[in-house]
Amino acid sequence: ILNVEQSPQSLHVQEGDSTNFTCSFPSSNFYALHWYRWETAKSPEALFVMTLNGDEKKKGRISATLNTKEGYSYLYIKGSQPEDSATYLCASYLLSGNTPLVFGKGTRLSVIA
Amino acid sequence: DSGVTQTPKHLITATGQRVTLRCSPRSGDLSVYWYQQSLDQGLQFLIQYYNGEERAKGNILERFSAQQFPDLHSELNLSSLELGDSALYFCASSVVHGGGDNEQFFGPGTRLTVL
Repeated sequence: ILNVEQSPQSLHVQEGDSTNFTCSFPSSNFYALHWYRWETAKSPEALFVMTLNGDEKKKGRISATLNTKEGYSYLYIKGSQPEDSATYLCASYLLSGNTPLVFGKGTRLSVIA
Repeated sequence: DSGVTQTPKHLITATGQRVTLRCSPRSGDLSVYWYQQSLDQGLQFLIQYYNGEERAKGNILERFSAQQFPDLHSELNLSSLELGDSALYFCASSVVHGGGDNEQFFGPGTRLTVL
């Protein structure tokens, strides 16, 4: 069974603060790690798809890193804004055949103005 | 707008009933995935179709079934509904058959309430 764990479960930060959260996943048979952003009353939207150990991706003020050997990924948000408030989901995909994405339960971020 | 459409947006029904949820993938996407989001649970994968064929199966109950039609739209059929089936059901699509390194595009979801 593949377990994808995210921490913290929820986070409240002040506008302008930088923050980060963690996704951990089993490192064996790893193929890809996805990050999605899910705003309330909307549907999840892909932020990053990462496959290579040591990979770092950036989109505006949001960036992510990947360590496939130890099985974790960090998502960073620099200078948080109220519009960053959302649930951030990570999902892992295994190499071993027709397995689906396995999602973590997400980190709910609230940015207070 | 992801380009994935789902109907209906909301559905309220009674226990024991049967419902059908519909999904149209983004133009050009061959894979359709169904997920269930229950209270306090993460997105749970139900089933995947690729170009009309079942590709992967997750924790889908025997009371649930799905299919993908030649025009690539998909339907998720839920029967003998129970209170615990109340959830948000998402459809997602991607170009290829594997989640792999291709992002999935999610529809707006169908909120099912079983009374």
